[in-house]
Amino acid sequence: GAVVSQHPSWVICKSGTSVKIECRSLDFQATTMFWYRQFPKQSLMLMATSNEGSKATYEQGVEKDKFLINHASLTLSTLTVTSAHPEDSSFYICSARDPARWDTQYFGPGTRLTVL
Amino acid sequence: ELKVEQNPLFLSMQEGKNYTIYCNYSTTSDRLYWYRQDPGKSLESLFVLLSNGAVKQEGRLMASLDTKARLSTLHITAAVHDLSATYFCAVAYTGNQFYFGTGTSLTVIP
Repeated sequence: GAVVSQHPSWVICKSGTSVKIECRSLDFQATTMFWYRQFPKQSLMLMATSNEGSKATYEQGVEKDKFLINHASLTLSTLTVTSAHPEDSSFYICSARDPARWDTQYFGPGTRLTVL
Repeated sequence: ELKVEQNPLFLSMQEGKNYTIYCNYSTTSDRLYWYRQDPGKSLESLFVLLSNGAVKQEGRLMASLDTKARLSTLHITAAVHDLSATYFCAVAYTGNQFYFGTGTSLTVIP
């Protein structure tokens, strides 16, 4: 299957700081990427849909000013958690849609964010 | 409201046994995906089911789709310890968004 990388895999930061997470599709072009959040032992919660060259579409209840998404190229989307607080601590996973493989979403390895 | 439900939520089974995980969804869709997640890891794509009656098999796992019943199944044959993981179904809707099931945590006991 297709490969999606995510960086960093693990980050600890102080409250009030911003954290940027990168998501890259390594062997295919992804016009659409997705950002999810997952709490322990729970399913994935879609945060936003990121489309290359346009503004992201956020799900209801997700603050777009807090979770800034940029999809500047066909292989890179970034999620910036601004002014992070302890309640933002979570496992963040990105995915990239591959239209050549029946629109299957391929997932990055995830980023575990801990805000102190 | 879109709902994707999986049954059971937790499953503990002995090696060598068979079992089926069910995925029910509330609104018509023609694409359903199965993923596997190991603890602390991301999701690995297992199957893509694209039409009514579709059946896919890989090793000890077989997935099927009944779009009329809005039901997909993931059948495990002669389970082995390596299959222990959480399995998610995901249904694709407008805009290629995926709606994930609740997940089934499978533990295979030697």
